[in-house]
Amino acid sequence: DADVTQTPRNRITKTGKRIMLECSQTKGHDRMYWYRQDPGLGLQLIYYSFDVKDINKGEISDGYSVSRQAQAKFSLSLESAIPNQTALYFCATSDSGIQETQYFGPGTRLLVL
Amino acid sequence: GQNIDQPTEMTATEGAIVQINCTYQTSGFNGLFWYQQHAGEAPTFLSYNVLDGLEEKGRFSSFLSRSKGYSYLLLKELQMKDSASYLCAVRDGDYKLSFGAGTTVTVRA
Repeated sequence: DADVTQTPRNRITKTGKRIMLECSQTKGHDRMYWYRQDPGLGLQLIYYSFDVKDINKGEISDGYSVSRQAQAKFSLSLESAIPNQTALYFCATSDSGIQETQYFGPGTRLLVL
Repeated sequence: GQNIDQPTEMTATEGAIVQINCTYQTSGFNGLFWYQQHAGEAPTFLSYNVLDGLEEKGRFSSFLSRSKGYSYLLLKELQMKDSASYLCAVRDGDYKLSFGAGTTVTVRA
């Protein structure tokens, strides 16, 4: 079974709709992250959480919000989707040890029409 | 913010060696990572450097020079399955990762 799962894997939505992307992990990690990836660009950090009561904005948080419902769950919401939010979205997790390697989920491909 | 540069594309022949360079400028430094990403898939962890020098892991090696803000990933005995994008990522003083745009490596028979 995959350690980091994301649902849905693919989603098509319309401009102005609210959409939620979900991430779950069984790795027991405290830290969770949301990234977006656009062609020709590096992964960009949207939000991150170091534990259940901790939420931090990344470099491109405008238009997004998150919820850390439990240690294992971290959801990303687009309150009112717009076409330039069309991208591949990845969730990642890491422990809080020395190396803190991030492990990525399979991604959600989102198309906003 | 961070500034991370790596070449966009590289092509090499099966069985050959390819070196992917990465230069960076960061506010604080807490390690450099290399990830492999096949098209449409998740990035997967390859290597981690926090001290200067070479780390070897089978066919893959990674080098770091903190004073020069420079790293490279060396892929030896290239195989067709090594065709992928390779991402350089630097962890800053706040323990956030910043990624380069990735280097697409194409392995030809």
